Amino acid sequence: SAVISQKPSRDICQRGTSLTIQCQVDSQVTMMFWYRQQPGQSLTLIATANQGSEATYESGFVIDKFPISRPNLTFSTLTVSNMSPEDSSIYLCSVSKEALNTEAFFGQGTRLTVV
Amino acid sequence: AQTVTQSQPEMSVQEAETVTLSCTYDTSESDYYLFWYKQPPSRQMILVIRQEAYKQQNATENRFSVNFQKAAKSFSLKISDSQLGDAAMYFCAYEAAGNKLTFGGGTRVLVKP
Repeated sequence: SAVISQKPSRDICQRGTSLTIQCQVDSQVTMMFWYRQQPGQSLTLIATANQGSEATYESGFVIDKFPISRPNLTFSTLTVSNMSPEDSSIYLCSVSKEALNTEAFFGQGTRLTVV
Repeated sequence: AQTVTQSQPEMSVQEAETVTLSCTYDTSESDYYLFWYKQPPSRQMILVIRQEAYKQQNATENRFSVNFQKAAKSFSLKISDSQLGDAAMYFCAYEAAGNKLTFGGGTRVLVKP
């Protein structure tokens, strides 16, 4: 298994500002992902965090808005930049220890409210 | 692109009874994996059960079982002997290469005492 610590657990931010969310895993993992869950909605993949290189973004998500870092095999950050109320969501970090067909472990998410 | 559809926004079940959640998906892949995740109010996503597409036998995990129909691209979850702690959002998810999960819209399960 993997234990994920995601910080902050929640925040209320002013529009136009940026927030950086941290994801720390208790062991080395192969894959790290960031998901967004808008109010009352399902989870949508933002990007795959790649160690030592640029993240791989899904359609509709761009690096300028959601810069991601992954300096090592246990840590990643997601920044939500120039926030607007539409960015109010839960952001979840997810990890997998191996490629394909392994359980994905999730952090408890960061509930972001932009006012 | 793969899509996952859960047609039931909400399901209600009496404690100790059985409820079945529907999930259909669309893919051109032959090798993939399917999952059911539970999300209680705490927001923590918890894996309930998983199914490998190459396996014909339906997965079972204690009170949870699936009915996997590959040709029909259907993957339903049955919760038997429902308990109050089963109340949560349930998400069906599809995984192909790269560990990326595609989630359905979710089904809220209410358990009546």
